[in-house]
Amino acid sequence: QKEVEQDPGPLSVPEGAIVSLNCTYSNSAFQYFMWYRQYSRKGPELLMYTYSSGNKEDGRFTAQVDKSSKYISLFIRDSQPSDSATYLCAMSLGIGTYKYIFGTGTRLKVLA
Amino acid sequence: DAGVTQSPTHLIKTRGQQVTLRCSPKSGHDTVSWYQQALGQGPQFIFQYYEEEERQRGNFPDRFSGHQFPNYSSELNVNALLLGDSALYLCASSRDRGFTGELFFGEGSRLTVL
Repeated sequence: QKEVEQDPGPLSVPEGAIVSLNCTYSNSAFQYFMWYRQYSRKGPELLMYTYSSGNKEDGRFTAQVDKSSKYISLFIRDSQPSDSATYLCAMSLGIGTYKYIFGTGTRLKVLA
Repeated sequence: DAGVTQSPTHLIKTRGQQVTLRCSPKSGHDTVSWYQQALGQGPQFIFQYYEEEERQRGNFPDRFSGHQFPNYSSELNVNALLLGDSALYLCASSRDRGFTGELFFGEGSRLTVL
């Protein structure tokens, strides 16, 4: 079993839809949870990070962490064709380490 | 403000050869991490450098080695290349002072081993 599981998709939605992306994990010691966006042939770009459980909102993006269920989500409101990319979740044990454990990524396509 | 820069962007090698990849961190950053991203997979942590020392290492063989220079730039070396080493190699930089979650990635070096 992988430490971090993520549905690879692809996920196709119409423009304006609410998108829900999810990851599950097995290591209860993870403290920091990140979401990255990666366009084709580009490096990952940090979208959101959260510490421990709870919600965090930034514009059209909302990140949720449920440590009791070992489940994290990223919601994208009013999705745009420019949101079409691969979304990677990542987790780490905490301060002092940049050893992130990434999911495989979910490919998202927003149709105009 | 230049972000993380990597070179070369693409390269082709044959099995058994050696390769060196280079990275310049974002301005103000002093910590460099290297990741390997195989096609269709998420990045996997290779190692992290701070103050010119390897601070943490992932599950990669000794064929993978690195170096950090006094100006914080870094190199990744891979010896005795295998077909399975074909991947996108990503460099990421950050500030070691505290943890903000902000790991900035470069565009990567795409290595093909024939």
